[in-house]
Amino acid sequence: AQSVTQPDIHITVSEGASLELRCNYSYGATPYLFWYVQSPGQGLQLLLKYFSGDTLVQGIKGFEAEFKRSQSSFNLRKPSVHWSDAAEYFCAVGASGTYKYIFGTGTRLKVLA
Amino acid sequence: NAGVTQTPKFQVLKTGQSMTLQCAQDMNHEYMSWYRQDPGMGLRLIHYSVGAGITDQGEVPNGYNVSRSTTEDFPLRLLSAAPSQTSVYFCASSLQVQVNPGELFFGEGSRLTVL
Repeated sequence: AQSVTQPDIHITVSEGASLELRCNYSYGATPYLFWYVQSPGQGLQLLLKYFSGDTLVQGIKGFEAEFKRSQSSFNLRKPSVHWSDAAEYFCAVGASGTYKYIFGTGTRLKVLA
Repeated sequence: NAGVTQTPKFQVLKTGQSMTLQCAQDMNHEYMSWYRQDPGMGLRLIHYSVGAGITDQGEVPNGYNVSRSTTEDFPLRLLSAAPSQTSVYFCASSLQVQVNPGELFFGEGSRLTVL
C-alpha cells in the first residue's frame, strides 16, 4: 500500500541553524513528491515538488529537497532557518493514475531566537 | 486572485444537525477534493471530483456527501453531524492529477466543532 512517513512529529532548531526534515514513502511506481508548508490558521502552500530529472530540487523560501530512490526518501533541507519558518511541514506523494494524494502526518517546526 | 475559497471559516454544530461547507475555485481546475485534518493524522481524503458530474470516495467518506454541478464549485455536506466529525476541513484543487499529479492549491480551511 502507498504510504508516506514523517518520523519526526516535532523539531526545534535555533535561528540560523540548518534544518533537515525527513520523509520516507512507499510507492510502487515513480512517485510524484511534494513538500507543503502550513502556517498557523492557514491552508497548505507548496514549497517544492519532484517529478523527474535532477534529484535535487529547489523550492521557495530557500528550501531544497533531495530525492533518493534507493532510500525511498525525499528529505527537505534549509541551510539557515529563519524565525518565520516556524510552521508545520507536510510531505505528500501523488499516485499517478489514482487521482489521489497521500500525505504524511506532518512535522511541526519550532524556531528558537 | 482568489484561488480556492472556503466558507464558512468557523462553524459550531450540535449532534445530528446538517450543514454544507462551500468551496469555490476560479482557476478552471478540473480536479477538486476535500480533506480533513486531525492532530497526528495529517490530511485524509474525504471525496474528490475530476470534473462536473464526476465524484468519487476517498479514504474517509462516511457521513459526508458531495456533488459537482459546475467546474467552480464543490460543496461538502455533513448529513447528520457527529462529534467525530470535529475537524479542520480543507478544499484543494489541481489542474492535472491523473497522469502527472500536479500541485494542489488549498483553501484556508473550515474549522468545524460538533457538540
